[in-house]
Amino acid sequence: DTGVSQNPRHKITKRGQNVTFRCDPISEHNRLYWYRQTLGQGPEFLTYFQNEAQLEKSRLLSDRFSAERPKGSFSTLEIQRTEQGDSAMYLCASSLGLGPTDTQYFGPGTRLTVL
Amino acid sequence: QKEVEQNSGPLSVPEGAIASLNCTYSDRGSQSFFWYRQYSGKSPELIMSIYSNGDKEDGRFTAQLNKASQYVSLLIRDSQPSDSATYLCAVISHDMRFGAGTRLTVKP
Repeated sequence: DTGVSQNPRHKITKRGQNVTFRCDPISEHNRLYWYRQTLGQGPEFLTYFQNEAQLEKSRLLSDRFSAERPKGSFSTLEIQRTEQGDSAMYLCASSLGLGPTDTQYFGPGTRLTVL
Repeated sequence: QKEVEQNSGPLSVPEGAIASLNCTYSDRGSQSFFWYRQYSGKSPELIMSIYSNGDKEDGRFTAQLNKASQYVSLLIRDSQPSDSATYLCAVISHDMRFGAGTRLTVKP
């Protein structure tokens, strides 16, 4: 499968615990995006990388959230001291970075449940 | 005002009919427009992109863009039960913004 992959697919954790998600983009894609989606809403932009550089972070991304893409390939999203409000689907997408015609392709998502 | 607005639905059409989905956006500088389909519990999958005013057709799908009216739509011809899903409108200006989606049900 050459699409975007995410692990784990599901994560259940207790409030206050730290969690880390991984995203592997399509191999030739140099842009990688993280989104969060809650029930009945569209995906909300969190952050994106151009290769290993994190170029933008949403105001939604509190200090408890951190994302990395150390070698410009896979990325991790860590949530520290999880709260019940963090329960959501976390989506990763990647793209070639072609400017206005750039198209993002999504991975299957990681569903986080915070008890 | 939300940056990207869609009617939440649900929109129900009979099998074989045309489904019309609408989206408006607030940023006049937006350059790229996308329609994604999302089945329940799954991630969004790209249906179409459109960048210039007018119509763009791909099989049973037609996207329409009117930048002056800040309006983009998706028509689905010969709707099938398998088209039942939530359709997300996405707009790129500074970054990608999604609408909340329109839930479409195609009844056999």
